[in-house]
Amino acid sequence: SQTIHQWPATLVQPVGSPLSLECTVEGTSNPNLYWYRQAAGRGLQLLFYSVGIGQISSEVPQNLSASRPQDRQFILSSKKLLLSDSGFYLCAWSFQGFQPQHFGDGTRLSIL
Amino acid sequence: DQQVKQNSPSLSVQEGRISILNCDYTNSMFDYFLWYKKYPAEGPTFLISISSIKDKNEDGRFTVFLNKSAKHLSLHIVPSQPGDSAVYFCAASSSGSARQLTFGSGTQLTVLP
Repeated sequence: SQTIHQWPATLVQPVGSPLSLECTVEGTSNPNLYWYRQAAGRGLQLLFYSVGIGQISSEVPQNLSASRPQDRQFILSSKKLLLSDSGFYLCAWSFQGFQPQHFGDGTRLSIL
Repeated sequence: DQQVKQNSPSLSVQEGRISILNCDYTNSMFDYFLWYKKYPAEGPTFLISISSIKDKNEDGRFTVFLNKSAKHLSLHIVPSQPGDSAVYFCAASSSGSARQLTFGSGTQLTVLP
């Protein structure tokens, strides 16, 4: 069976510091990978998705970037965090061309 | 512009009764719809889905109804149980290589014992 791991679970960072969140999937090959953010009281907003190694699509302009250095690894980064980057970040995977997407347990990011 | 809307932020239901969660969408290109359930501090868990070629899909206590002409879908939970208390998100996607999901803002369901 497939599993998705996302870490850390919580993170407190000062404004202007860098960020690296990691997500890995086990038990499948060539998955679609996704990064979402959930702001307080809001739905999930798609940030990035990837259909293969090195292929990243961005849905919204922002202070964040994503990379997929390996088939089952997806990384969310920032060079300098802003207060507005606070939120709950979720990684998800799906089989190519199929739904549903399956989510990790998320990272609660607080910017001070 | 919200393409998927859940207009009820919260819903309370007595245990054993039916819970009905509603969702409206505006994009006629959406052809696949999903419901997710989310507990605090956890990622959403897939619950049930429906393709636009169907108008109903059932899985145990959960049934999703799709009304394409009204661009409306609903999730029925019968009978409701206290463990069903969670935030429910509806999501929609259109055909494409990545099948991105567009989510509603969620409805907090509370099932009272």
